[in-house]
Amino acid sequence: NAGVMQNPRHLVRRRGQEARLRCSPMKGHSHVYWYRQLPEEGLKFMVYLQKENIIDESGMPKERFSAEFPKEGPSILRIQQVVRGDSAAYFCASSPPGMETQYFGPGTRLLVL
Amino acid sequence: KNQVEQSPQSLIILEGKNCTLQCNYTVSPFSNLRWYKQDTGRGPVSLTIMTFSENTKSNGRYTATLDADTKQSSLHITASQLSDSASYICVVSVNDYKLSFGAGTTVTVRA
Repeated sequence: NAGVMQNPRHLVRRRGQEARLRCSPMKGHSHVYWYRQLPEEGLKFMVYLQKENIIDESGMPKERFSAEFPKEGPSILRIQQVVRGDSAAYFCASSPPGMETQYFGPGTRLLVL
Repeated sequence: KNQVEQSPQSLIILEGKNCTLQCNYTVSPFSNLRWYKQDTGRGPVSLTIMTFSENTKSNGRYTATLDADTKQSSLHITASQLSDSASYICVVSVNDYKLSFGAGTTVTVRA
């Protein structure tokens, strides 16, 4: 059973471009969580999704950020018109229904030039 | 102000020695407390998880303690190995999915 997979592992974008981060949860996991980690800081909750539903997006900026977890395919975290402050590591985690333990992916490191 | 504070920020120990990491939290309500290990460039990996009623939990050479009255936890690493070099993160669960992370303690084990 492969772990949580994220791609790309590293992403470089210029200001104003779009960034798309993908997360494939572990097999059998229908819950996905996205976190952001700024340098020297702890991970911060962004959004919690189940298949085709956003359960809690209270940690996600209201503008430019969106997330989805379609019925088929990976979960996508989309950042439009990126700014330098978006530079961070973005981690995805997944869990099966009814289990609290979250399994983390290796992260995507976004650098905005 | 972060609701989960960890100390020290970093520490260096010699291989074979023991060390203890501290975590103080103000998160409320409290569901459970977890310790994660995060290797450089990797995602966090769960070491232990403790509920309100548990005082201690072990996972190999890692032993976590929890005092829910004082809202303090510690992670003790016994007989450290070079592979223990990583960031150790204290995480408090607010509900069944929302986690509050500390900034981590970076442990460096030297031969």
